[in-house]
Amino acid sequence: DGGITQSPKYLFRKEGQNVTLSCEQNLNHDAMYWYRQDPGQGLRLIYYSQIVNDFQKGDIAEGYSVSREKKESFPLTVTSAQKNPTAFYLCASSPTSGRPGELFFGEGSRLTVL
Amino acid sequence: SQQGEEDPQALSIQEGENATMNCSYKTSINNLQWYRQNSGRGLVHLILIRSNEREKHSGRLRVTLDTSKKSSSLLITASRAADTASYFCATGGSGNTPLVFGKGTRLSVIA
Repeated sequence: DGGITQSPKYLFRKEGQNVTLSCEQNLNHDAMYWYRQDPGQGLRLIYYSQIVNDFQKGDIAEGYSVSREKKESFPLTVTSAQKNPTAFYLCASSPTSGRPGELFFGEGSRLTVL
Repeated sequence: SQQGEEDPQALSIQEGENATMNCSYKTSINNLQWYRQNSGRGLVHLILIRSNEREKHSGRLRVTLDTSKKSSSLLITASRAADTASYFCATGGSGNTPLVFGKGTRLSVIA
């Protein structure tokens, strides 16, 4: 089945540790996005990539890093510089033709800092 | 930056009733989309309405867009318990400009 796979679903981290969240898609979409969701805050954009080997910062990029070496993959690293990383992280992708701009989401990764 | 603002924040109705959620936004848009999120899950796209459209239907969903008032509404008719979820509006610019999401309306449909 085509879709977006995020892993792990749940992740616990000690303060000061970097963690990487995986996002893989087999939809052949060019654009991929990372959003952070906090209770009552809606979704906020962290990073996005419209093409391989290129990405742009979103509204809350500080303390996060990404790479886009392959079309299918857009991993997000939450670094120790992120002061409040406990949140629900959502990865999405969108096509550039057919239904451009419509986002297809993964099931999310919930990160908890202990 | 939070572009869309949904109203109400929470809505509780009986099964069979209609549910109406509103979304207001601030700047010019290319399109407005509605998404649904079940608790602890990813978002699912429901419907997209372009800036030159005024109304769109999809099954039990009806979306309106008033660009002069910078507002949209989502109507779910004959609601079911399975419609219980959070609903988000998101505004889009041209091309693959990232969508900007509102904070959502939490809908509870009581059987």
